[in-house]
Amino acid sequence: AQSVTQLGSHVSVSEGALVLLRCNYSSSVPPYLFWYVQYPNQGLQLLLKYTSAATLVKGINGFEAEFKKSETSFHLTKPSAHMSDAAEYFCAVSTYNNNDMRFGAGTRLTVKP
Amino acid sequence: KAGVTQTPRYLIKTRGQQVTLSCSPISGHRSVSWYQQTPGQGLQFLFEYFSETQRNKGNFPGRFSGRQFSNSRSEMNVSTLELGDSALYLCASSLGEGSYNSPLHFGNGTRLTVT
Repeated sequence: AQSVTQLGSHVSVSEGALVLLRCNYSSSVPPYLFWYVQYPNQGLQLLLKYTSAATLVKGINGFEAEFKKSETSFHLTKPSAHMSDAAEYFCAVSTYNNNDMRFGAGTRLTVKP
Repeated sequence: KAGVTQTPRYLIKTRGQQVTLSCSPISGHRSVSWYQQTPGQGLQFLFEYFSETQRNKGNFPGRFSGRQFSNSRSEMNVSTLELGDSALYLCASSLGEGSYNSPLHFGNGTRLTVT
């Protein structure tokens, strides 16, 4: 079955600094990859998705991710962190032959003023 | 369009009791998935329903069950509650068949506390 691994359960950056959240996937068939964000006491919201079109995917709030098949990675980046980006971020994978989306353990992003 | 609605938002139950959680998907969405979220285990897949049929099930004991109605609304039930069942239960909907590349739309969850 497909799976994702998020490297780093906590990431702390200064406001204005680059945000890099790491995600590696495992799948025996072509994956569909997603990044979600969760704010306290809320459900998850979609940031962006990769569905086999362009390898560089742009999402909401200035986030983007690049699908690298050779590295089985789908890292999330944002050039300049904002205080409002503080939240928990989840990488997820699904495949055409499976009806459940699998999530990583999550990375909590802290943004320091 | 209204989003995914989960009721109730908070629930406190005692060990041994049972509980039913409800989820109304986005209009037009035919697939409903349930996840359990805890600090230690993260987001764990419970089950997924499409057109009233369970298509996939996660690795949870039989105490956890669900169903989907003809209007796509879904319920999940947990019987004989244990302390370890305390968690945020999230429901998510998507378009459904052939939509494995469609994102999930989540509700705000039901926070279950078992004492």
